[in-house]
Amino acid sequence: KAGVTQTPRYLIKTRGQQVTLSCSPISGHRSVSWYQQTPGQGLQFLFEYFSETQRNKGNFPGRFSGRQFSNSRSEMNVSTLELGDSALYLCASSGTSGGNTGELFFGEGSRLTVL
Amino acid sequence: GQNIDQPTEMTATEGAIVQINCTYQTSGFNGLFWYQQHAGEAPTFLSYNVLDGLEEKGRFSSFLSRSKGYSYLLLKELQMKDSASYLCAVSVPGGYQKVTFGTGTKLQVIP
Repeated sequence: KAGVTQTPRYLIKTRGQQVTLSCSPISGHRSVSWYQQTPGQGLQFLFEYFSETQRNKGNFPGRFSGRQFSNSRSEMNVSTLELGDSALYLCASSGTSGGNTGELFFGEGSRLTVL
Repeated sequence: GQNIDQPTEMTATEGAIVQINCTYQTSGFNGLFWYQQHAGEAPTFLSYNVLDGLEEKGRFSSFLSRSKGYSYLLLKELQMKDSASYLCAVSVPGGYQKVTFGTGTKLQVIP
């Protein structure tokens, strides 16, 4: 069973640009969550999607957005990049469909560097 | 808001036992996770506690006290490969997959 796949693995952007990151969950998983990981802040919750609907959103500015497609693949977008957006962006999928929390399966992450 | 505290770094000797503590203050509680993350890799699931008490899984055990907002991860017979960051995370109600993570404890195992 293939794991969670994130692309690209590494990317470099400059301030003001925008970036789109992609996540393919484990086959059959319908919940996809996104996290930002930085050395000082740890993993910060961005948002969670289930069946193409955003169910939860963390405390990030509107420059951070996402969506989920009918095949459960998800993308997140960051517009008007700032230096502080440099981080590892992790995607996690879960097989739970209801309100119970299940184990999160993480991808390897997309490491974004903003210059 | 949600607040999860765990020590930043710990060092332990190969073959020994180490306990990594986690305290939390959250708006409600569904369960508590422990994840392991090696440098440059994705976090991997270790345990999930919903009820009070100790859950044992091989060399790893996790304990939960909901009344105290406290958990610990116990690693026995430490091996060099256990050098990693250990993340404590809490799932809160009404948030489906909204899981709040602590900043992690970086464990270094020395010979």
